[in-house]
Amino acid sequence: DGGITQSPKYLFRKEGQNVTLSCEQNLNHDAMYWYRQDPGQGLRLIYYSQIVNDFQKGDIAEGYSVSREKKESFPLTVTSAQKNPTAFYLCASSIWYWGSTEAFFGQGTRLTVV
Amino acid sequence: KNEVEQSPQNLTAQEGEFITINCSYSVGISALHWLQQHPGGGIVSLFMLSSGKKKHGRLIATINIQEKHSSLHITASHPRDSAVYICAVLSGGSQGNLIFGKGTKLSVKP
Repeated sequence: DGGITQSPKYLFRKEGQNVTLSCEQNLNHDAMYWYRQDPGQGLRLIYYSQIVNDFQKGDIAEGYSVSREKKESFPLTVTSAQKNPTAFYLCASSIWYWGSTEAFFGQGTRLTVV
Repeated sequence: KNEVEQSPQNLTAQEGEFITINCSYSVGISALHWLQQHPGGGIVSLFMLSSGKKKHGRLIATINIQEKHSSLHITASHPRDSAVYICAVLSGGSQGNLIFGKGTKLSVKP
């Protein structure tokens, strides 16, 4: 079945450590996105990529980094520079930029930094 | 003021009731999306609208471009409809950076 997979579902890290969240899709989508969700807040865009080897900062990119070496993979690294990393992270993909097309979401990764 | 406002924030209904969730926005848009977020966190895309009305099963979405308003209706609600419903808009000229509402949390009691 085609879909988008995030792993792990829950992640705990010590303060000051970098951590990488995985996102893989087998939908042959060009565009992929990372969002952050905090309680009572709307989704906020961290990074997006519309093609392999290219990505753009979203609204809250500081303290995060991404790579897009393969079409199907878009990992997100939460660095120690991110001041408040504890949040729910969602990855999405779409055929092209998803304002004009439907997007598919992963199940999310809940990151807790202690 | 948020560019996308949803109402109500929380909604509790009895099984079988007709439900309406509203979304108002202040920017010019080229598309509006309704999403459903399950209690576990996963999100499903329900509708994408640029005009008029769409129906899928018991769900109906409408949009009024002139009034900058969209509604999501659920007929014959069921406990499995309990979720957070999110409205998101693509402002005209933007390439994929949507503006999200904060969501409406719906709880349907049996």
